Amino acid sequence: GAGVSQTPSNKVTEKGKYVELRCDPISGHTALYWYRQSLGQGPEFLIYFQGTGAADDSGLPNDRFFAVRPEGSVSTLKIQRTERGDSAVYLCASSLDAGSSYNSPLHFGNGTRLTVT
Amino acid sequence: KQEVTQIPAALSVPEGENLVLNCSFTDSAIYNLQWFRQDPGKGLTSLLLIQSSQREQTSGRLNASLDKSSGRSTLYIAASQPGDSATYLCAVVGGNYKLTFGKGTLLTVNP
Repeated sequence: GAGVSQTPSNKVTEKGKYVELRCDPISGHTALYWYRQSLGQGPEFLIYFQGTGAADDSGLPNDRFFAVRPEGSVSTLKIQRTERGDSAVYLCASSLDAGSSYNSPLHFGNGTRLTVT
Repeated sequence: KQEVTQIPAALSVPEGENLVLNCSFTDSAIYNLQWFRQDPGKGLTSLLLIQSSQREQTSGRLNASLDKSSGRSTLYIAASQPGDSATYLCAVVGGNYKLTFGKGTLLTVNP
């Protein structure tokens, strides 16, 4: 079946603009995770959803970042008033449920490369 | 706070060599340790997952070991091939469902 799909694959925006990044998880996966990977670094946790609710948003860097998953499937990561420091690859992953992460690997998408000029 | 360190940061080897990548973590209270591969411009592909109760896992030419008490893991790649060139990431899962990653090892296998 289809894997985790992220769109767009690349996004270039000007400083101060608003952007939305979309993630379409594997069908039937109730847990969805967002990670951010800066150049030369490992991915860092941002937020995860179990169903429609954000179970843990402790990794969001500030209130310019917000994520939703209104129907428990597709999720959108929203960044307001973008800054050059937001430039990174934003990765989405999904799993059957949060607890399955103890026994099974997450399935990652190819990411969205965000460049803020 | 969990911290994951990977050594070396980069490694270049001739084709056919066996090699070892190292990973260490500061908090031994983990549920599992995972090794991922990342190709340029791509997402992460899971290679091996070792449960905290396990000592090693094998898949083809890959073997990963885990010494939870000392906070160490190694990824052994036998008979390396140019197609193995990629960044290898180590990550651990603690009691909060979240992965904590190292910075990765950039592997280049030269033909």
